Amino acid sequence: ETGVTQSPTHLIKTRGQQVTLRCSSQSGHNTVSWYQQALGQGPQFIFQYYREEENGRGNFPPRFSGLQFPNYSSELNVNALELDDSALYLCASSSRDRGSYEQYFGPGTRLTVT
Amino acid sequence: AQSVSQHNHHVILSEAASLELGCNYSYGGTVNLFWYVQYPGQHLQLLLKYFSGDPLVKGIKGFEAEFIKSKFSFNLRKPSVQWSDTAEYFCAVRGSSGSARQLTFGSGTQLTVLP
Repeated sequence: ETGVTQSPTHLIKTRGQQVTLRCSSQSGHNTVSWYQQALGQGPQFIFQYYREEENGRGNFPPRFSGLQFPNYSSELNVNALELDDSALYLCASSSRDRGSYEQYFGPGTRLTVT
Repeated sequence: AQSVSQHNHHVILSEAASLELGCNYSYGGTVNLFWYVQYPGQHLQLLLKYFSGDPLVKGIKGFEAEFIKSKFSFNLRKPSVQWSDTAEYFCAVRGSSGSARQLTFGSGTQLTVLP
């Protein structure tokens, strides 16, 4: 069983730029959630995708957007990057149809905005 | 929306000492509760979870947690810690309706176990 993978591992961007982060869900999972983990903090929920549709969103501005593809992989896009967007971005997959809300996390993408 | 409070930011213990990490949440309805662990250089892993039934749940590596509904608490315990338990521990809660159905994490507790 393949676990959750994320790419890239690290990324450095300049303020104002745009970034796309990618996530491949664990085999058999149809739900992907994205989290932002700032240094010294717990993960904060950004949004969740279930069967290619957004299914819940946290307190993040519209410049944070996402996609889920038919194979259940997902992208997180952030426009107009700000310095405070520097964080570890985590992707987690789960299988909502099985009634299990246990989420399996990927290793994360470390984004640095300068 | 729910919130999670972890009382200790950093805990330092010697090997074989007993561990208890506090977690309190605020949410008025039915909850699912989780403890996740993040070992140095590794991704978040589920340690244990509570959905319903026996409020004392056992997880991996000898960890257990007790759900006390009247206190809105879900404290993590281990009778005897090992050096390999050095990690960051996160408590998380999932509510039962609307926006509360997403995972909300506490700010984490860094555990350092001295050999």
